[in-house]
Amino acid sequence: DTAVSQTPKYLVTQMGNDKSIKCEQNLGHDTMYWYKQDSKKFLKIMFSYNNKELIINETVPNRFSPKSPDKAHLNLHINSLELGDSAVYFCASSQDPPASQPDTQYFGPGTRLTVL
Amino acid sequence: KQEVTQIPAALSVPEGENLVLNCSFTDSAIYNLQWFRQDPGKGLTSLLLIQSSQREQTSGRLNASLDKSSGRSTLYIAASQPGDSATYLCAVVTGANNLFFGTGTRLTVIP
Repeated sequence: DTAVSQTPKYLVTQMGNDKSIKCEQNLGHDTMYWYKQDSKKFLKIMFSYNNKELIINETVPNRFSPKSPDKAHLNLHINSLELGDSAVYFCASSQDPPASQPDTQYFGPGTRLTVL
Repeated sequence: KQEVTQIPAALSVPEGENLVLNCSFTDSAIYNLQWFRQDPGKGLTSLLLIQSSQREQTSGRLNASLDKSSGRSTLYIAASQPGDSATYLCAVVTGANNLFFGTGTRLTVIP
């Protein structure tokens, strides 16, 4: 019954590796997002996708690439992981297309990434 | 650039008390403001959304107000319970659904 799910919940890896985090939503929403939460609990938006089009990219390094195989999934691929990538990553979704008034976003449980 | 501040950073209250959490933002050109609750390991839960044209929203024991002109919002929690213990985040939404979050208020309700 989980509305927005993420896997894995925890991810520990070495510097330089490539990893992916998966996100799925069963709400039938049009837009999905990725957020990064830093050590001070501050959430920053990284990407959003609507109809398989990237509509926001907040100065995120190009080592991060979102991939959306269909409307219900938005996966986050990270290449050449760095120590500073350690954080909790949250996926979210909302109903509205980008041109309309923004709607409530529903969040996944988060993925804690630790880069050693 | 939009900046969102929440005060206090942490708050402890005895069970049953009413409390107010504060949120301020620097750019009043917002579409709406949302309050979230964050529980460890459970991600974020959306509590209330106030459209820019509204002044308040209520859901159960929660009441959120918005004064867009002064760049302020408050979240009022009535008759607090231990289960209310969590981190509360406010976020303002600008064009293209950009969500700017505050740093949160960690609430502890003591039984």
